[in-house]
Amino acid sequence: AQTVTQSQPEMSVQEAETVTLSCTYDTSESDYYLFWYKQPPSRQMILVIRQEAYKQQNATENRFSVNFQKAAKSFSLKISDSQLGDAAMYFCAYSRMDSNYQLIWGAGTKLIIKP
Amino acid sequence: DTGVSQDPRHKITKRGQNVTFRCDPISEHNRLYWYRQTLGQGPEFLTYFQNEAQLEKSRLLSDRFSAERPKGSFSTLEIQRTEQGDSAMYLCASSLGSGHFTGELFFGEGSRLTVL
Repeated sequence: AQTVTQSQPEMSVQEAETVTLSCTYDTSESDYYLFWYKQPPSRQMILVIRQEAYKQQNATENRFSVNFQKAAKSFSLKISDSQLGDAAMYFCAYSRMDSNYQLIWGAGTKLIIKP
Repeated sequence: DTGVSQDPRHKITKRGQNVTFRCDPISEHNRLYWYRQTLGQGPEFLTYFQNEAQLEKSRLLSDRFSAERPKGSFSTLEIQRTEQGDSAMYLCASSLGSGHFTGELFFGEGSRLTVL
């Protein structure tokens, strides 16, 4: 069975600094997706970034980028120039590419931004 | 397009009562998902609809839980004979797709259930 592990329950970073959130996963599949979702306090969950396992190039979205290490089954999220609005729970998630519905979620990392 | 909306946002009920949550997905989205989220955890999949057909149900969805999506539009999630263990945030999400699942879900703000 696939699992997703986020080993950092909480992280804090100074505003404008860079922070990296860790995620590891376990799967025997070769084709899959990985995601980072953000859940601000009392707000809806939104997709931050997605990575297809067959792509070697790391995905980037503005200040957000990932370090995808397929052999190590590691998928970390780097947030550059942290802003107060980045404060949220961040969830790493996995999906088999042939799935119709199933996302496997990590337990989340709470990110605190210090002004 | 106002996004995915859920109602009510908060529900407090006594053990043994029935509750119903409603989800209105983004209008053109044909796929709709229900998740449950407890404090400090990621979402847990409950069920999935493609149009009006309920295609998957998690083992977490006991016989006290029922979900419907009439005419492939809004969806309801009903919990009968609530138990304290049902206290959680119930999240609805929708997506547009005819082929493989891409994992890009659009979530509502959730309905928080507290069972006393």
